[in-house]
Amino acid sequence: QLQLQESGPGLVKPSETLSLTCTVSGGSISSSSYYWGWIRQPPGKGLEWIGSIYYSGSTYYNPSLKSRVTISVDTSKNQFSLKLSSVTAADTAVYYCARVAVADPSYMDVWGKGTTVTVSS
Amino acid sequence: QSVLTQPPSASGTPGQRVTISCSGSSSNIGSNYVYWYQQLPGTAPKLLIYRNNQRPSGVPDRFSGSKSGTSASLAISGLRSEDEADYYCAAWDDSLSGPVVFGGGTKLTVL
Repeated sequence: QLQLQESGPGLVKPSETLSLTCTVSGGSISSSSYYWGWIRQPPGKGLEWIGSIYYSGSTYYNPSLKSRVTISVDTSKNQFSLKLSSVTAADTAVYYCARVAVADPSYMDVWGKGTTVTVSS
Repeated sequence: QSVLTQPPSASGTPGQRVTISCSGSSSNIGSNYVYWYQQLPGTAPKLLIYRNNQRPSGVPDRFSGSKSGTSASLAISGLRSEDEADYYCAAWDDSLSGPVVFGGGTKLTVL
């Protein structure tokens, strides 16, 4: 059974870079049928799609975050990662990773449990 | 401000049928599929409806989706207490808002 697990620091200082990793287990990240995505949810608010990556390294990002976001993949470790630069308190959120269907980019059928990131000095 | 518009709250009593709306535009709902996600308290979202009206395996047929023009709806029949959750619509967006946009979410309360 495919599982995703987010990991990374729970506290990041303002202006620094947030770095998270999603480890995929029970399946291969190199599947031709799926992208791998990041979604976040600020406290008490709704979902915001951040971006997605294919195992080949092809990416697409939320235009509103594009200048600060980098998503990368490491197929040897079955992991993909998120970097968000110049963070502010507005980036405080639960960050989820998810499997995304290539044919249906809004189809996210397997999710990690989420990891809380707080931006504070 | 979310690209897709949902009512912030909805409610119903056990056994009742409730609907949740999602309004968009020609660049998202009007030209692409709609998806619905259910988020139970303290958990990750779960895919509930895909391609407007398709249910993933394991999702009860009490849940159904529909789309007309630039709006979509999620209907839940035979409401149960365990349906109390936040519900989000999502769609691909062809404009600079996208590519993937979500609604602001609707909190469903089972009275």
